[in-house]
Amino acid sequence: SAVISQKPSRDICQRGTSLTIQCQVDSQVTMMFWYRQQPGQSLTLIATANQGSEATYESGFVIDKFPISRPNLTFSTLTVSNMSPEDSSIYLCSVRKVADTQYFGPGTRLTVL
Amino acid sequence: AQSVTQPDIHITVSEGASLELRCNYSYGATPYLFWYVQSPGQGLQLLLKYFSGDTLVQGIKGFEAEFKRSQSSFNLRKPSVHWSDAAEYFCAVGPSGSARQLTFGSGTQLTVLP
Repeated sequence: SAVISQKPSRDICQRGTSLTIQCQVDSQVTMMFWYRQQPGQSLTLIATANQGSEATYESGFVIDKFPISRPNLTFSTLTVSNMSPEDSSIYLCSVRKVADTQYFGPGTRLTVL
Repeated sequence: AQSVTQPDIHITVSEGASLELRCNYSYGATPYLFWYVQSPGQGLQLLLKYFSGDTLVQGIKGFEAEFKRSQSSFNLRKPSVHWSDAAEYFCAVGPSGSARQLTFGSGTQLTVLP
């Protein structure tokens, strides 16, 4: 498995501001992912964070809105830019470990006023 | 495209009763199948997974799931539910050989009555 931490665990932000979420893993991993879970909904993949190259975004998500950094094999950040109330969600990072299994962090609960 | 259906949005069972959560998937090849649990305010915890071999897989916390290819199903079961099992359960499917494109079902909220 993997031990994954996220900071902050929750935040309340004003419309128009940006928030950067950090994800730290206890071991080196090749693949890290960022998901969004809107209230009462399932998980939607935002992007795959690639070490040493730009992130790969899923349809409906763009780099200007969700810039991602992956400076090394244990750390990644997701920024939610120019926030609106529609961005209120839980943001989760996950990592792929052996046997093609993804493990998830505890999530960051974001509320935008 | 792959998809996952969890037909039950909300299930209520009494403590000690048996549980079955349904999951149906659509995928063109042999999928990798997962069940995750999300307790209130928490992230997702992996309960169990199926890649190949024995179609009945055992997971943590006394859960098991059975892969039925003919029915495109991967239902989660537990013989006796505990109050601490109250949570949301997600079924997910991914293509074999890669965990990148996990597709999640909409989730089933489990309530356990004392």
